Amino acid sequence: GAGVSQSPRYKVAKRGQDVALRCDPISGHVSLFWYQQALGQGPEFLTYFQNEAQLDKSGLPSDRFFAERPEGSVSTLKIQRTQQEDSAVYLCASSSSDTYEQYFGPGTRLTVT
Amino acid sequence: GDSVTQMEGPVTLSEEAFLTINCTYTATGYPSLFWYVQYPGEGLQLLLKATKADDKGSNKGFEATYRKETTSFHLEKGSVQVSDSAVYFCALSDKAGANNLFFGTGTRLTVIP
Repeated sequence: GAGVSQSPRYKVAKRGQDVALRCDPISGHVSLFWYQQALGQGPEFLTYFQNEAQLDKSGLPSDRFFAERPEGSVSTLKIQRTQQEDSAVYLCASSSSDTYEQYFGPGTRLTVT
Repeated sequence: GDSVTQMEGPVTLSEEAFLTINCTYTATGYPSLFWYVQYPGEGLQLLLKATKADDKGSNKGFEATYRKETTSFHLEKGSVQVSDSAVYFCALSDKAGANNLFFGTGTRLTVIP
């Protein structure tokens, strides 16, 4: 079946621009996670949704980062006024309530110039 | 807070050599432990997991044992293949996998024929 998909796969933004990254989780998966992976590092947690409720946003690095999942399915991570330090791969993962195993998407590589 | 310390890479081995990648963790409570693998050009995939002390996770010839007394979850494989070349991430979750993952920095493995 279809896995987690993310779009765009690559995004180049000029410093100060706003970007929106999309995640389509596996159908029926209740939980959705966003992670940020800097070059040569492991992924770091940003935020977590259970259905449409954002239960944990403790990892968002600043108030320029905002995530939503209005209908409990597709999620969007928005970054306002991008900075160079925002350059990273942004990973989305989803999981069901049965196994809790997280399935990851291919990521969106964001480069801020 | 929760954290994972992973053996620094890169690691280069000849085909059929024995592999160990060390991983230790710090966590409150009783975390679940995971190894994820990222093959070139692909997304993160769960390789194996263990949810309680003394559990052994295994998959594709890889094994790791959850050692509470040494807070470790070392990854081993008896005979590596060229196709095992990838980046390996140790990770933990502090609520039976239902919550966000804390990742190590990753270890790049290259297997040469």
